[in-house]
Amino acid sequence: GENVEQHPSTLSVQEGDSAVIKCTYSDSASNYFPWYKQELGKRPQLIIDIRSNVGEKKDQRIAVTLNKTAKHFSLHITETQPEDSAVYFCAASRLNTGTASKLTFGTGTRLQVTL
Amino acid sequence: KAGVTQTPRYLIKTRGQQVTLSCSPISGHRSVSWYQQTPGQGLQFLFEYFSETQRNKGNFPGRFSGRQFSNSRSEMNVSTLELGDSALYLCASSQGLARYNEQFFGPGTRLTVL
Repeated sequence: GENVEQHPSTLSVQEGDSAVIKCTYSDSASNYFPWYKQELGKRPQLIIDIRSNVGEKKDQRIAVTLNKTAKHFSLHITETQPEDSAVYFCAASRLNTGTASKLTFGTGTRLQVTL
Repeated sequence: KAGVTQTPRYLIKTRGQQVTLSCSPISGHRSVSWYQQTPGQGLQFLFEYFSETQRNKGNFPGRFSGRQFSNSRSEMNVSTLELGDSALYLCASSQGLARYNEQFFGPGTRLTVL
């Protein structure tokens, strides 16, 4: 089955700096890669996703890049703010198959943005 | 639209007991997936129900089971509870379309097994 590795497990940056979180996946058939943000005591929320037919996607301060050949994808947050502090999870699944709803998650990255 | 809701939010049980958790998806969503979240194992997929049928299953023992009703509400049952079952159980709903699968999570049920 799919295996998703995520690094680093913790990341501390100063406000205004950029943060990068990296994930690798094992199943070459995976084609959908969402990122979730989970604040303390709250539910995971989708912040951005990318499909395998796209190499990069941006949404304001957040961007995700995908390298299908190397089977890795990354989350980039620019101009970090204290409210970006949370645990971030990457995930992978196969769209257009019967297992589209089965997300395999990375182990999470705890991002702390300090003033 | 109302979001995904889960009940109860907190539950304390003892080893050997069984528990039933409930999840109400977003209106119109036909797929409900269940995940177990623990500090050590992260978020792990339990199973998915779509149109009252289990469509996908993760690598959990048979003590974990579920069902889905005609209104798409889903229940998850854990029998013969073990200490290691203590976790946050999250459900997520989606339209269930194979070509698009944005999943929306509920707030979770925190289960503590003593």
